[in-house]
Amino acid sequence: AQKVTQAQTEISVVEKEDVTLDCVYETRDTTYYLFWYKQPPSGELVFLIRRNSFDEQNEISGRYSWNFQKSTSSFNFTITASQVVDSAVYFCALYPYGGATNKLIFGTGTLLAVQP
Amino acid sequence: EAQVTQNPRYLITVTGKKLTVTCSQNMNHEYMSWYRQDPGLGLRQIYYSMNVEVTDKGDVPEGYKVSRKEKRNFPLILESPSPNQTSLYFCASSLSRGGNTEAFFGQGTRLTVV
Repeated sequence: AQKVTQAQTEISVVEKEDVTLDCVYETRDTTYYLFWYKQPPSGELVFLIRRNSFDEQNEISGRYSWNFQKSTSSFNFTITASQVVDSAVYFCALYPYGGATNKLIFGTGTLLAVQP
Repeated sequence: EAQVTQNPRYLITVTGKKLTVTCSQNMNHEYMSWYRQDPGLGLRQIYYSMNVEVTDKGDVPEGYKVSRKEKRNFPLILESPSPNQTSLYFCASSLSRGGNTEAFFGQGTRLTVV
């Protein structure tokens, strides 16, 4: 099965707290790509990161960091010192390279609410 | 500016009244897709297209049609909309297949069928 699981439906934190959003994926492909998207209240999808299955290096971009672990099939996203502007729905997505449909497989999303 | 443009952004319609949601991209991308987003389900692919005149079904194609007569346009057609098609719709385009390029998403179309 090709699947993405975001077990955390909603998370609420207070500003300046660190928060980690979990993403667990399933795929039979050895080559695949993982993505994170942000959906703010305005509704558009904002691309955050793409990672291929052969690159397990963690990545940091400002307050954002990603931890990719093939051994546990996880691609978790951490926001350090959260801000109110981080409030959004965050989607993790999988692109299995063997797929014929050019389809991103999305998780169900995690709603992050950052309180002032 | 590179972008995917969907119209309309919001639409309320009645059951059975045919409608079209337009999607246009200015990046000369070959690959385009339509997704619908529903609470608790994430985004699911409706249809996709690999090039002009080449389209195929995604995971949830029932009740939808698409066409790709020009590279830049990929309209989504609901011949006889029903309330279960009330959803948030996204058009996406990418330069190539394979996930090694970013998928660009439109702003979304919020459709309500009453």
